[in-house]
Amino acid sequence: NAGVMQNPRHLVRRRGQEARLRCSPMKGHSHVYWYRQLPEEGLKFMVYLQKENIIDESGMPKERFSAEFPKEGPSILRIQQVVRGDSAAYFCASSLIGTGRGTEQFFGPGTRLTVL
Amino acid sequence: DQQVKQNSPSLSVQEGRISILNCDYTNSMFDYFLWYKKYPAEGPTFLISISSIKDKNEDGRFTVFLNKSAKHLSLHIVPSQPGDSAVYFCAANYGQNFVFGPGTRLSVLP
Repeated sequence: NAGVMQNPRHLVRRRGQEARLRCSPMKGHSHVYWYRQLPEEGLKFMVYLQKENIIDESGMPKERFSAEFPKEGPSILRIQQVVRGDSAAYFCASSLIGTGRGTEQFFGPGTRLTVL
Repeated sequence: DQQVKQNSPSLSVQEGRISILNCDYTNSMFDYFLWYKKYPAEGPTFLISISSIKDKNEDGRFTVFLNKSAKHLSLHIVPSQPGDSAVYFCAANYGQNFVFGPGTRLSVLP
């Protein structure tokens, strides 16, 4: 049973370009979470999605950032017109049931985005 | 507004001794707490958790203690091993809210 997969592992973009980060949850998991870790900081929640629905996007910047989790295929975190401040490690996690009492989230290895 | 705090950014412990990692939270709505361990260039992995109805949960060398009145929890690792060297994140949960602390880097010295 493969774990959470993220690709690419490393992504380099120039300012103004678009970044697309992909996350395939664990088999059977329909709940996906995206987190961002800035240098020397902890994990910051960005968005929680269930198949085809955004459940909670309270942690996601209102502009330039979007996320989707289509019926088929991986979840995508998209950052438009990237700026240097977007440089961070982006982690995806998945769970079998929705966030709640005792729900364990399984994390992927992360995508390290570097904006030049 | 940091709802989950880990005030020690780093901790060094001698191999064989006890490691104690601390975590404080501000929101009394949190009813489930988890510890994750993270190695460099990898995602966090689940370590141990505790429900708010308990004050202690033990799993092998790892024990988590919860003091609800103080809104404080701690992770004890005994005996500490060099392979325990990693960043440890405390996380708190209620409903759909899942909040991580900033992490504590543990170094276990041989």
